[in-house]
Amino acid sequence: ELKVEQNPLFLSMQEGKNYTIYCNYSTTSDRLYWYRQDPGKSLESLFVLLSNGAVKQEGRLMASLDTKARLSTLHITAAVHDLSATYFCAVGETSGSRLTFGEGTQLTVNP
Amino acid sequence: ETGVTQSPTHLIKTRGQQVTLRCSSQSGHNTVSWYQQALGQGPQFIFQYYREEENGRGNFPPRFSGLQFPNYSSELNVNALELDDSALYLCASNGGADRSRGTGTYNEQFFGPGTRLTVL
Repeated sequence: ELKVEQNPLFLSMQEGKNYTIYCNYSTTSDRLYWYRQDPGKSLESLFVLLSNGAVKQEGRLMASLDTKARLSTLHITAAVHDLSATYFCAVGETSGSRLTFGEGTQLTVNP
Repeated sequence: ETGVTQSPTHLIKTRGQQVTLRCSSQSGHNTVSWYQQALGQGPQFIFQYYREEENGRGNFPPRFSGLQFPNYSSELNVNALELDDSALYLCASNGGADRSRGTGTYNEQFFGPGTRLTVL
């Protein structure tokens, strides 16, 4: 059974600081997704990572994937308050499109 | 391109009742997946429908059932509601067949706004 673990689960940081969220998963997969969720809202797709060594950046967020280590990271650069949300990683099955999600990282960026 | 829509947005039921949630997939998508998200947790896969057939099921009891229609819209039915069924129910659609893009293929799922179910 595929297991996905994120850490930390809670992250409080100051504006302007950098930090990294980690996503570990237990079995082989060739697709890793990062989503953002605001309170009471649905999931917003941030990144799709498809191959070992893949790196994608959008604004202050950068995601990477190491399939050999079964690890993805979401790096936050110079955080701003608007980034406050819960971030989920999700791993896709090798076949089919079922996603297994991590528990989420609740990020709070303080002024 | 029309996105994924769900109805209703909110619903309150009592224990033992039955509920039907609806989802319209994004235009051109033939696969619909349903997820349950309890408060403070990540979404959990319930099941998936591809071209009107169930195509995978998570660890949910048989009282969770579904349908997919010829237009690829879908319903999630839950019988004999329990308090623990209170959650946000998310529907996601994707194209089913892998789409090749750049260095790899993927089945990116697009999520609807969700239905908030409260069981009293």
